[in-house]
Amino acid sequence: GEDVEQSLFLSVREGDSSVINCTYTDSSSTYLYWYKQEPGAGLQLLTYIFSNMDMKQDQRLTVLLNKKDKHLSLRIADTQTGDSAIYFCAESEKTGGSYIPTFGRGTSLIVHP
Amino acid sequence: SQTIHQWPATLVQPVGSPLSLECTVEGTSNPNLYWYRQAAGRGLQLLFYSVGIGQISSEVPQNLSASRPQDRQFILSSKKLLLSDSGFYLCAWSDPLFSGANVLTFGAGSRLTVL
Repeated sequence: GEDVEQSLFLSVREGDSSVINCTYTDSSSTYLYWYKQEPGAGLQLLTYIFSNMDMKQDQRLTVLLNKKDKHLSLRIADTQTGDSAIYFCAESEKTGGSYIPTFGRGTSLIVHP
Repeated sequence: SQTIHQWPATLVQPVGSPLSLECTVEGTSNPNLYWYRQAAGRGLQLLFYSVGIGQISSEVPQNLSASRPQDRQFILSSKKLLLSDSGFYLCAWSDPLFSGANVLTFGAGSRLTVL
């Protein structure tokens, strides 16, 4: 099965909060990441969290980590139309001495007025 | 500052033709380099990564190959393309000296359509 799982779509109204969820399998992951991909572009790092943290906040973004359940979420407050994009969750697995991120399939966030 | 360039941005190739996608990084030395493929509905699949010149690790068996002829140059190649090679190819780099999170910086991507 997939190492990192996310729902494929999320639709929200402008101004509401968006919550994107992710589950992962590798309990030894030291860092977990959220990346954003706008149409036709590469991925950009949004934020990451170290595995010994429960929460990280950065302006409109809040990341929650439940290590026991291997569940990661990204909350975007006051969602704007410019937040419409694909959001990827990733965990880092040790591969050949390096921590290589493994990505989920991505969640398409659609923000409508 | 560091920048990453990928080209070509868009490519349409017939089945059985060769492929060469190029990626270069500027403003850093000895980066870790990666090739990912994004196929529709399948997320990002790691194809190759490299920790140094001539050092290539392959993650999935396929008819693609990668080379790193120079420190900041990473090339993805195929001798004969298959229809299933269509997708969006992303190059990325990370700083191996950073002791924290392994943050990847991605290029703009190369969209390959095999007909």
